[in-house]
Amino acid sequence: NAGVTQTPKFRVLKTGQSMTLLCAQDMNHEYMYWYRQDPGMGLRLIHYSVGEGTTAKGEVPDGYNVSRLKKQNFLLGLESAAPSQTSVYFCASSNRGALGQPQHFGDGTRLSIL
Amino acid sequence: AQKITQTQPGMFVQEKEAVTLDCTYDTSDPSYGLFWYKQPSSGEMIFLIYQGSYDQQNATEGRYSLNFQKARKSANLVISASQLGDSAMYFCAMRDRTGNQFYFGTGTSLTVIP
Repeated sequence: NAGVTQTPKFRVLKTGQSMTLLCAQDMNHEYMYWYRQDPGMGLRLIHYSVGEGTTAKGEVPDGYNVSRLKKQNFLLGLESAAPSQTSVYFCASSNRGALGQPQHFGDGTRLSIL
Repeated sequence: AQKITQTQPGMFVQEKEAVTLDCTYDTSDPSYGLFWYKQPSSGEMIFLIYQGSYDQQNATEGRYSLNFQKARKSANLVISASQLGDSAMYFCAMRDRTGNQFYFGTGTSLTVIP
């Protein structure tokens, strides 16, 4: 019963460093999402994917890139980390079809940029 | 434009009492889905309840019910018989007709007082 797994759970970076966050889901879901959560701002969508090989921008895409080479994986990259990207990052997946399909979330990645 | 509005940043409720968490939404689409998620202090996002725009009855799941007033575009979460474990952040979300995106509110922090 893994569901959605995010790697790593914590990371501290220096400004300018790069890193990739990995999200893996084992529910055969078509849709995958990356959010960031900041105090008082709820969850804001960074990028999302409606299927293998496809990605689209969300509300706050600047400074991030994504790839969905395999259906079960969705990668979020920070090419040159900035302190403003300090946040908690959540990956989620959902089935397509009925509107009632909820999102299933990973446990989050806490990222600090110094 | 803000699609989901949660106007209560923080709420307090006495244990065993009922509490209503407000959520209003903005869409011109007749077909949409509304969700509530719980985020305890441990950080994970837990799906609670779903209401479809065409559903005639208000959704219920155990102690959770959704007071859906379509004309007023509100989807308030009612928690009955509050328990200490209900203390958490609660997020309202809407899924649009395409099903591709979910829009989240800024959340309401609920504290249950013994």
